This record gives sequence, C-alpha cells and structure tokens, in this order.
Amino acid sequence: DAKTTQPPSMDCAEGRAANLPCNHSTISGNEYVYWYRQIHSQGPQYIIHGLKNNETNEMASLIITEDRKSSTLILPHATLRDTAVYYCIVRDSFSGGYNKLIFGAGTRLAVHP
Amino acid sequence: NAGVTQTPKFQVLKTGQSMTLQCAQDMNHEYMSWYRQDPGMGLRLIHYSVGAGITDQGEVPNGYNVSRSTTEDFPLRLLSAAPSQTSVYFCASSLRQGEIKSPLHFGNGTRLTVT
Repeated sequence: DAKTTQPPSMDCAEGRAANLPCNHSTISGNEYVYWYRQIHSQGPQYIIHGLKNNETNEMASLIITEDRKSSTLILPHATLRDTAVYYCIVRDSFSGGYNKLIFGAGTRLAVHP
Repeated sequence: NAGVTQTPKFQVLKTGQSMTLQCAQDMNHEYMSWYRQDPGMGLRLIHYSVGAGITDQGEVPNGYNVSRSTTEDFPLRLLSAAPSQTSVYFCASSLRQGEIKSPLHFGNGTRLTVT
C-alpha cells in the first residue's frame, strides 16, 4: 500500500473551512484514499473515501487531484468538536481482500473559538 | 445497535500475568481486527480475522494470541504480559473482507498498563 504524508498539526477558526492536505505520490491506480479521525480517548471514526472523483457526504468533502498524487479533506464549517487527529490512508482494493488499514501519524487539527 | 464493544475499559496487570481483552460486534461483520496505539504513534495492526475460524497476523503480533470461534467475538489474549505491552488497544470490524466500500468501525478502546 502507498505511503501518505500529512502535516503534523494544523489550526482552524471555528466556523471556517478546515482543509487538511495529504500527499500520496506513489499511489497506484487501484488504491483508494480513506480518511478517518480520532477524537481524544475515542476509537477512530470513518469520514469518507474516494478513488479519483471528488466525494461529499454529511461530514466532509474529499478532493483528489487529477494525477491522484494528493488529496484534501475539507470540513466546510469546523466546530470545536472537530478537534481531532485526522488520518489519511491509501489502500489497495485487491490487497488480499483484507481490510488491513495502515495508519500513519496523522494531522492534529485544533479548532479554536 | 451497540456497534463494537470492548471490555474492560481499563486494566492494570503485573508483568507475567495473563488476560483476555474482549471485543464483540453486533453488526454481523465478517472482518475483525485488533490495533494497538502508543503515545505519539499511529495505530498498528496486531491480528485480524476474515471470518469465524480464520485469523492471521498483522504488523506487531508477537506476545498476542487471537481466536474467532463466532462471527460476533474476537478476543485478544496476552499470555504473559510485559511492560512493552502497555498501550491502548482498539478492536475494529467491517462488513466484508474484500469490499472496498466497507469502512472499519472501531470500539472505544481498552487502556492497559503493565507494571
């Protein structure tokens, strides 16, 4: 599975959009991009995933560049409850068929009033 | 639905003691897995299972055993606890083993301290 690179920390003002970047320059054609987050002392929570098209759900939007070497997770109106560590993960859809996600260090997002 | 339930929430062991961390899910998920998380590090995969009776090793399996006798339960056993196993342990499950659109659902963790 491809390796990802994320900034260790970011800040965002409450009510503003939080844009979290992820670099996955070695991603291959059948690898998906997943985002999870982990709020303090809780288990990780699935946010969104995509292959090449931009995706949106009730939590966030995922923008994947045309060459698929990077992506951005967008939280359109960040709240204090969005303060968490955000993990960007890429996974091969054919990696033995096993849901074996490899988590990196992630980005610690701090949303402040 | 309760989702993924882990017990206990906290545990303190002495070196050499054994214990079992429990994990149960009520979503009829095929796939279950165990991760550990240490301060300043991401989650590391210990063991996983793609269905009842089938288990396999992850990145850091040494010192841990697992079994999967039912779809619902996936216990993690520490046979002889060591201080290096002090960590937060997360259990996770997903609907299908090969389904790319099947996100992992995590429990809220067991915080284990080995003295």
